Amino acid sequence: KNQVEQSPQSLIILEGKNCTLQCNYTVSPFSNLRWYKQDTGRGPVSLTIMTFSENTKSNGRYTATLDADTKQSSLHITASQLSDSASYICVVRVRSGGSYIPTFGRGTSLIVHP
Amino acid sequence: NAGVTQTPKFQVLKTGQSMTLQCAQDMNHNSMYWYRQDPGMGLRLIYYSASEGTTDKGEVPNGYNVSRLNKREFSLRLESAAPSQTSVYFCASSDAGGYGYTFGSGTRLTVV
Repeated sequence: KNQVEQSPQSLIILEGKNCTLQCNYTVSPFSNLRWYKQDTGRGPVSLTIMTFSENTKSNGRYTATLDADTKQSSLHITASQLSDSASYICVVRVRSGGSYIPTFGRGTSLIVHP
Repeated sequence: NAGVTQTPKFQVLKTGQSMTLQCAQDMNHNSMYWYRQDPGMGLRLIYYSASEGTTDKGEVPNGYNVSRLNKREFSLRLESAAPSQTSVYFCASSDAGGYGYTFGSGTRLTVV
């Protein structure tokens, strides 16, 4: 079982609508949680990063929330645009020995239709 | 503003051939990583180097070797390529605290 579960696996919305992507994790101890956007054929690009003490972080139309007690995070996209069509990946960073190891979710594929 | 640079961007190999994927970062990051990304599987860690002079296995290390040549460069070698290694490979780097995590643009490898 993947230690970072994302839902939904895929999502189609109309341009201008809002949407929320979910990330549930079981890994510990927790260092930080990131949301990435990955356009087709490109490398992932960081959207937000939160430590366990942060509840919310915004980056333009993207707002991430974190509940460290329930080990859940969400990414809310406001007023979607066609350029938001991409895969969104949740990554939880865990301390392992003397290193920080990222654990990746499998991503949510978002398609924004005009 | 190069960030993380990977070469080549595309490669086709025959089964049994060897090759090395190159990765270099100019952000003075301590840690570097190699991932593969397959459809429906997400990113999986092959090897990582927490600091110059150290390397460790990740989730899927079999069939690969790595070299942390210096602080800037981290290479991934396939000694005898297999069709199962057809994938998109990403290199990434981060500072010691896990912040400033940056990916390269990827290498699309096909083994026939």
